[in-house]
Amino acid sequence: AQSVAQPEDQVNVAEGNPLTVKCTYSVSGNPYLFWYVQYPNRGLQFLLKYITGDNLVKGSYGFEAEFNKSQTSFHLKKPSALVSDSALYFCAVRDGARGNNRLAFGKGNQVVVIP
Amino acid sequence: DAGVIQSPRHEVTEMGQEVTLRCKPISGHDYLFWYRQTMMRGLELLIYFNNNVPIDDSGMPEDRFSAKMPNASFSTLKIQPSEPRDSAVYFCASSLGTGMVAKNIQYFGAGTRLSVL
Repeated sequence: AQSVAQPEDQVNVAEGNPLTVKCTYSVSGNPYLFWYVQYPNRGLQFLLKYITGDNLVKGSYGFEAEFNKSQTSFHLKKPSALVSDSALYFCAVRDGARGNNRLAFGKGNQVVVIP
Repeated sequence: DAGVIQSPRHEVTEMGQEVTLRCKPISGHDYLFWYRQTMMRGLELLIYFNNNVPIDDSGMPEDRFSAKMPNASFSTLKIQPSEPRDSAVYFCASSLGTGMVAKNIQYFGAGTRLSVL
C-alpha cells in the first residue's frame, strides 16, 4: 500500500520568511513523489516531482523539495514566501512498481502567508 | 493546449436526479483519472482509464456511480440516482504514459462542484 501523511492542517508564515510544508510517505517499493498546489476554485497544479537522482528537487515558482530516504520525507520549501503562495498544498506518492499508476494524495496543508 | 476541460463547472440538482459530469483530456494523453474532493475525505481516486479502458474502479463508491470513456477525447462520470452525500468537487485529470508510467505527471481540470439538495 502507498500513503502520505501531511501532519499539519495549516501553516502560517510571514511574508518574506522561509516556508516549509511537511510530508512523509510510505511505500513498499521505490517512491515517486510529487507536490501539487491548489488555488481557490481551481484544479491541482503540478509543482515538482522526485523520481531518482539528486535529492534536492527544484520546481515552479521558486519551490524546492528534499527527498530524505532514511526519514521517508519529502518536505516542500521556499526560501522567501509571498502572499500569492497562500493556497492548499498536496503531497502525493506512487509506488514505483511497473503498472501502478495510482497516486496517493495527502489530506493537504493550507498555507497562509501573512503580509 | 487548453488543458483538461471539465463541464459543467457547477451543478445543483435535487436528490434522486441523474447527474452527468464531462471531461475532455489533454490531446494525446492516454490516461484519464476521476477524483472526488471533500472536506472529510480529501482527494479520492474514483476510477482511471488507459487507452479508453477502465483499469481500476476500486474507488467508485457504489453502483450509483458509473464512468465511461467512449473515445480518447471524452469521458463521463454519471451518478444515478444522486444523493446529498454525493456533494463534492469532482476532478478529472489526464497524463501521458510512456515507458515507466508511474513517473508521469497528472494534469487536472478545474473541477465540477456538485451540490445535491
